[in-house]
Amino acid sequence: DAEITQSPRHKITETGRQVTLACHQTWNHNNMFWYRQDLGHGLRLIHYSYGVQDTNKGEVSDGYSVSRSNTEDLPLTLESAASSQTSVYFCASSEGGETQYFGPGTRLLVL
Amino acid sequence: AQTVTQSQPEMSVQEAETVTLSCTYDTSESDYYLFWYKQPPSRQMILVIRQEAYKQQNATENRFSVNFQKAAKSFSLKISDSQLGDAAMYFCAHMNRDDKIIFGKGTRLHILP
Repeated sequence: DAEITQSPRHKITETGRQVTLACHQTWNHNNMFWYRQDLGHGLRLIHYSYGVQDTNKGEVSDGYSVSRSNTEDLPLTLESAASSQTSVYFCASSEGGETQYFGPGTRLLVL
Repeated sequence: AQTVTQSQPEMSVQEAETVTLSCTYDTSESDYYLFWYKQPPSRQMILVIRQEAYKQQNATENRFSVNFQKAAKSFSLKISDSQLGDAAMYFCAHMNRDDKIIFGKGTRLHILP
């Protein structure tokens, strides 16, 4: 069965370190998205991609970057982790006009 | 800019009863999609129901149905015969043709045995 996976599921890091969260989907979807979920804010869009070599900034992109070298993967990098980036991160994928399917989430703690 | 508003941060319902979760949205588009997602304690985001704006008929999925009022920009979720497993956070969401989703802040639903 097609799926979308995220790794690691839990991560503790220190302020200032670079962190990369992985997202891998086997749906063969062109669209991929990264969200963060914080209490009182719901899910907010960080970055998204409509296909290989395409990346776009979302609502809360400062301090984050993504790259899309193949259809299956969209890694999210925190260039220099900050305590404000402590959150739960979700990856999702979709095909045009269709439902987004979500990964299980990564809980990140920045100390 | 698109917005999605869920005015009920928390709700409770007795098991086997019916509950309605409210959602309003704002968009300048005429063609879009609306969703309700469920997030149980496991944190997995699970699609509950989907509605295409061009369809007048309200979507239904077993015990879950929506009341879609396009002119009023309202999209409420009705859960019939509530079960303990329905306890979760519910998010209303809006998606334009660019496939970007805007989520509401969620409604936490408690089921009372």
